[in-house]
Amino acid sequence: QSALTQPASVSGSPGQSITISCTGTSSDVGGYNYVSWYQQHPGKAPKLMIYDVSNRPSGVSNRFSGSKSGNTASLTISGLQAEDESDYYCSSFTSSSTVFGGGTKLTVL
Amino acid sequence: QVQLVQSGSELKKPGASVKVSCRASGYTFTSYAMNWVRQAPGQGLEWMGWISTNTGNPTYAQGFTGRFVFSLDTSVSTAYLQISSLKAEDTAVYYCARDGQLAVFDSWGQGTLVTVSS
Repeated sequence: QSALTQPASVSGSPGQSITISCTGTSSDVGGYNYVSWYQQHPGKAPKLMIYDVSNRPSGVSNRFSGSKSGNTASLTISGLQAEDESDYYCSSFTSSSTVFGGGTKLTVL
Repeated sequence: QVQLVQSGSELKKPGASVKVSCRASGYTFTSYAMNWVRQAPGQGLEWMGWISTNTGNPTYAQGFTGRFVFSLDTSVSTAYLQISSLKAEDTAVYYCARDGQLAVFDSWGQGTLVTVSS
C-alpha cells in the first residue's frame, strides 16, 4: 500500500488560512469517508485533529476543518496561530489496512 | 482520562530482540483495538498493524511480517510489540495508538525510542 501524497511543506502568516492536501486513490481516500488528520509537534506523539473526513474531536479548535473531493482530502487551518506550526499527517482506512501520508511541515511566518 | 504509557527507550545490538510495552488506563482495554506505528528518525508515520484486544488476533502491515509480533496481557491492560533479529534500520520511535473507531487513532502512547547499534 503506497503512502498518501502530501506536500512536503506549506507556510502562512498569522491570521491567514492554509490548506494541506492529501491525495490517494479510489482504494483508500476516494473509496471511504475514513480520512483522519494528525498534528505532531517535534518530539511529541501525534494528536488527532480531524476524523471521518470532517469531524473534530472534542477539544480541537474549530479553526481546523476537513473536506474531501474524489481521491483528495484537505485540511484547512484558518486564523493561523504560531502554535499551529507543526507537522501534519493524513491517514485513510483501506480495505485491509491504514495508510498514512508522508507528512507536511507547516511553517507560520 | 484515557492514557497509554509506553516503556522506556532501548539500546540494542544488531541481532538482539526488544519488547515494547503499552499500558492502557482510563477505559475498558478490551473495547478498543490497539495499533502500532513506526516513525524512523526524521521520517513520517508508518502503520505497522493492529491487534484485536478481544480475540488477541494480530494483523500485520506489509513489511512487518516475520520479525514483528503483537501480543496482549489483558489482565494488566497492556499491549506489547516484540521485534526480533534487530537491524540498524529498525531504529525508530514506536507508538501504540488506540483505535477509537475505524482507523481513527484517538489516543497515542508517548512513544518508545528503539536504537539498534553495535
